[in-house]
Amino acid sequence: AQSVTQPDIHITVSEGASLELRCNYSYGATPYLFWYVQSPGQGLQLLLKYFSGDTLVQGIKGFEAEFKRSQSSFNLRKPSVHWSDAAEYFCAVGVFSGGYNKLIFGAGTRLAVHP
Amino acid sequence: NAGVTQTPKFRVLKTGQSMTLLCAQDMNHEYMYWYRQDPGMGLRLIHYSVGEGTTAKGEVPDGYNVSRLKKQNFLLGLESAAPSQTSVYFCASSYSSEDQETQYFGPGTRLLVL
Repeated sequence: AQSVTQPDIHITVSEGASLELRCNYSYGATPYLFWYVQSPGQGLQLLLKYFSGDTLVQGIKGFEAEFKRSQSSFNLRKPSVHWSDAAEYFCAVGVFSGGYNKLIFGAGTRLAVHP
Repeated sequence: NAGVTQTPKFRVLKTGQSMTLLCAQDMNHEYMYWYRQDPGMGLRLIHYSVGEGTTAKGEVPDGYNVSRLKKQNFLLGLESAAPSQTSVYFCASSYSSEDQETQYFGPGTRLLVL
């Protein structure tokens, strides 16, 4: 069965520090992979997505993610975190099944940023 | 262009009461989805619609009904609310389901069932 694992429930970093959020997926075919961000009280916003091609994907707000098939991972990175990046981050795998685009989400990683 | 909007933002219900959550999108999207978000579980799909007049079950459909009478609106109904339905509900829409089109999410409805 398809699944997404985000091993870190909470992460705290200092402003200006680098960030890496981990995501591992389980899916038998070529995955479509997404990272969404949810700010407090807001809906989910797409940060970036991987469909095919270059395994290093650039997104909005200075984020990037790298798809590693051998490790079944799609980790999210940012070289220098800003206080406004404090939010909850969700990794998702897209599965086309039964005629629709099904997103399977991980449980999320809550990011806190210290000044 | 408001994107995806949800009504209401917050609601408190007593066990056994009914209510309807409204989702509206102004992007002319064919596909619409209802998710629930619970702590430590990410988002789970309740029901979805691939076009006006169509609906289908997702992962956790029990206790919910939906209707898509107009292309821009997708309603989620709780006929007899239970405490287990306390959650944050998100609506999403996408242009199509092929090629993994991006889903656009509304701001959510927080529901508390006492």
